[in-house]
Amino acid sequence: DAKTTQPNSMESNEEEPVHLPCNHSTISGTDYIHWYRQLPSQGPEYVIHGLTSNVNNRMASLAIAEDRKSSTLILHRATLRDAAVYYCNTYSGGGADGLTFGKGTHLIIQP
Amino acid sequence: DTGVSQDPRHKITKRGQNVTFRCDPISEHNRLYWYRQTLGQGPEFLTYFQNEAQLEKSRLLSDRFSAERPKGSFSTLEIQRTEQGDSAMYLCASSRSGTPTEAFFGQGTRLTVV
Repeated sequence: DAKTTQPNSMESNEEEPVHLPCNHSTISGTDYIHWYRQLPSQGPEYVIHGLTSNVNNRMASLAIAEDRKSSTLILHRATLRDAAVYYCNTYSGGGADGLTFGKGTHLIIQP
Repeated sequence: DTGVSQDPRHKITKRGQNVTFRCDPISEHNRLYWYRQTLGQGPEFLTYFQNEAQLEKSRLLSDRFSAERPKGSFSTLEIQRTEQGDSAMYLCASSRSGTPTEAFFGQGTRLTVV
């Protein structure tokens, strides 16, 4: 069973904010929420992670629901270079549970 | 450091042949992961190492797949008796151990079995 659920695709306009949702209703207390993205013909790249509090970095913001069963990746001002597949996953960082990926959300940016 | 390096970038092989891919992780990273990715799908986790120990290998796709990391540095993924269904992108990633961890991915090796 998938640990996370994301919409298959989303579309946004350039220079507008984008909110990418992720449901992770079975998250455990020690799991971090990670977001990666994959640009065409490249390996995935790390975007952001968080545990309970909202997080900001130079690429994006991560808003985590109070019950931690969902989160939202926020791109404040999308550019054409943000067109990619965005993956949300939960990972405790320990044991034999490697980073696993679902199908992700294909983000399309319209000029 | 130039990041995670994978070799070769592309491999075309005939069905039934064996292939081996190499991954050189970021030097200070003790964790190394292998993934397979087919078109339109997310990366599918195969196995991972912490130093030279292979901590998870139950998700290797069949007994034709094996991975090694003999000295805790570079790793190899071997596929024996390749089949057309093995055609995919094979990705390697590395990270430090601990929580949380940011994984860095290589560009991948694209395998085509003809």
